[in-house]
Amino acid sequence: EPEVTQTPSHQVTQMGQEVILRCVPISNHLYFYWYRQILGQKVEFLVSFYNNEISEKSEIFDDQFSVERPDGSNFTLKIRSTKLEDSAMYFCASSESGGLNTEAFFGQGTRLTVV
Amino acid sequence: KNQVEQSPQSLIILEGKNCTLQCNYTVSPFSNLRWYKQDTGRGPVSLTIMTFSENTKSNGRYTATLDADTKQSSLHITASQLSDSASYICVVRSNTNAGKSTFGDGTTLTVKP
Repeated sequence: EPEVTQTPSHQVTQMGQEVILRCVPISNHLYFYWYRQILGQKVEFLVSFYNNEISEKSEIFDDQFSVERPDGSNFTLKIRSTKLEDSAMYFCASSESGGLNTEAFFGQGTRLTVV
Repeated sequence: KNQVEQSPQSLIILEGKNCTLQCNYTVSPFSNLRWYKQDTGRGPVSLTIMTFSENTKSNGRYTATLDADTKQSSLHITASQLSDSASYICVVRSNTNAGKSTFGDGTTLTVKP
């Protein structure tokens, strides 16, 4: 069964360093998303991406964050200068379409630890 | 402000027993409500989606209900299994161009033998 894959599964980085989280969405999906979940808290929407541009972003997604689809298969989230509070589980998701009832399929997540 | 409140926060039941999880929301305008199961350290997996006109929907041992008038939903799990131990998250989507989703905090279910 097709699935969203994320790498690495766990990333440890020093405060102030840049980090890139990678995702391979399901191949025929056109809409891509990043979410984060701070330990013990709810899942929070970061950004949605369609047709090579951001379609929506939350207030969390500030200038320190950027997303890119560098080729036909990868979808990346970059954090330019990590802060301690960026430590969280980051989930990538993808969906076939942007329809309101369309299911988004989540990856297994990347646990980011900023020290 | 759009909010999704889930109860209880956590629940412990014995294997084989039934349980019901609650979700109240204030999201407006309403498009749909989805229940997700999230195993520890994994991404959420959709169990069921409820749209405005649907009152009840089942997926195996999971049955979701929706009362759009009172803005309440429930997820009933029948004959629980150890593998049902997970966080169950209620997500409500708005019927706007952006279609923003609001996540609940989740209910942590522990099924004990």
